[in-house]
Amino acid sequence: GESVGLHLPTLSVQEGDNSIINCAYSNSASDYFIWYKQESGKGPQFIIDIRSNMDKRQGQRVTVLLNKTVKHLSLQIAATQPGDSAVYFCAETFHGNEKLTFGTGTRLTIIP
Amino acid sequence: GAGVSQSPSNKVTEKGKDVELRCDPISGHTALYWYRQSLGQGLEFLIYFQGNSAPDKSGLPSDRFSAERTGGSVSTLTIQRTQQEDSAVYLCASSSQGGGEKLFFGSGTQLSVL
Repeated sequence: GESVGLHLPTLSVQEGDNSIINCAYSNSASDYFIWYKQESGKGPQFIIDIRSNMDKRQGQRVTVLLNKTVKHLSLQIAATQPGDSAVYFCAETFHGNEKLTFGTGTRLTIIP
Repeated sequence: GAGVSQSPSNKVTEKGKDVELRCDPISGHTALYWYRQSLGQGLEFLIYFQGNSAPDKSGLPSDRFSAERTGGSVSTLTIQRTQQEDSAVYLCASSSQGGGEKLFFGSGTQLSVL
């Protein structure tokens, strides 16, 4: 079946550096992708999304890149801060499907 | 409140007991989702409500699980005859758009089945 997975379960980054979190997906029909951030004891929080008609989208300190050829998604966080420490999930779905499929998550730790 | 509210935040129960988990979505959000998150895992879809349409129950793991959404607002997830493998965080999310877009999650209910 379809799956969404992350390459690295943990990532440690020095404060102020940039971080990149990667995600692979297997459903070529997926056309909508989302990154969520989950802090300890909280529910996932929407960060940024991208549709398949785009290959890049920028937010505040975050950029999502989509490579449909290799079915790869990445989240770039610029100038990381301690508050960026969390688990990051990618999720995907396709038009007409109400269910998001989530990856297992990457734990990002920002080292002061 | 401004966000999705879930209660209780923690629930400890004995194997074989029934539990009810409550979700208050954001006012005006027509779409409501239940997900389950096991320790160190991603989120597993359980059920989806959209307006007055029949819910999508395709993610419910067994007939011990059921959910209702009364008046298009509050939802209750019921687990009957709980088993230890039901232990997880149960997350509710709502959206004004459906289609899996822009979900706003509650903080979840941590269910522990002893």
